[in-house]
Amino acid sequence: NAGVTQTPKFQVLKTGQSMTLQCAQDMNHNSMYWYRQDPGMGLRLIYYSASEGTTDKGEVPNGYNVSRLNKREFSLRLESAAPSQTSVYFCASSEREDGYTFGSGTRLTVV
Amino acid sequence: AQSVTQLGSHVSVSEGALVLLRCNYSSSVPPYLFWYVQYPNQGLQLLLKYTSAATLVKGINGFEAEFKKSETSFHLTKPSAHMSDAAEYFCAVSAVGYQKVTFGIGTKLQVIP
Repeated sequence: NAGVTQTPKFQVLKTGQSMTLQCAQDMNHNSMYWYRQDPGMGLRLIYYSASEGTTDKGEVPNGYNVSRLNKREFSLRLESAAPSQTSVYFCASSEREDGYTFGSGTRLTVV
Repeated sequence: AQSVTQLGSHVSVSEGALVLLRCNYSSSVPPYLFWYVQYPNQGLQLLLKYTSAATLVKGINGFEAEFKKSETSFHLTKPSAHMSDAAEYFCAVSAVGYQKVTFGIGTKLQVIP
């Protein structure tokens, strides 16, 4: 099983450009999440989807949008990238309180 | 509301010594507690979890943690550190019936030969 697959692994954007981070899981999990990881700040929740067809804001949603395309896929979109969005982005999925399965991350640099 | 405090952003131990990484939590309802490990340039991997069964939880790679409600703690231990344990460790909390997880800021473990 692949688990949680994120694409791309690396990306450099110019300020103002847009992009979509893709995430897919093959574990039939209901819930999916997007986190960002910054030094000294741990992981902060951007958006989550408790089940197919629903999405909710997390701790730091400004500047992002999400789409739960189907049960497998949960994408994160930056409409107009800013340097403050330079970070490592992780997608995760879970089923009830079993704990998260994480993807390997996307390293995004906005210049 | 829920939160996690990890004491010590960096911890150094000698190979073969006891590993103790501290975590205290705050939760208004009975918590679920987790420890994750992150190796360089990788995603996080679940080490162990507490979900209201046994208070002493055993995980992978010889790690264990004990849930102490009176101290609101969930410290991670390993009797003998190995070089391969060098990584960053995250404590996390969620509430029963509530799947969102709140992470601590992480503790980087250095193992000295």
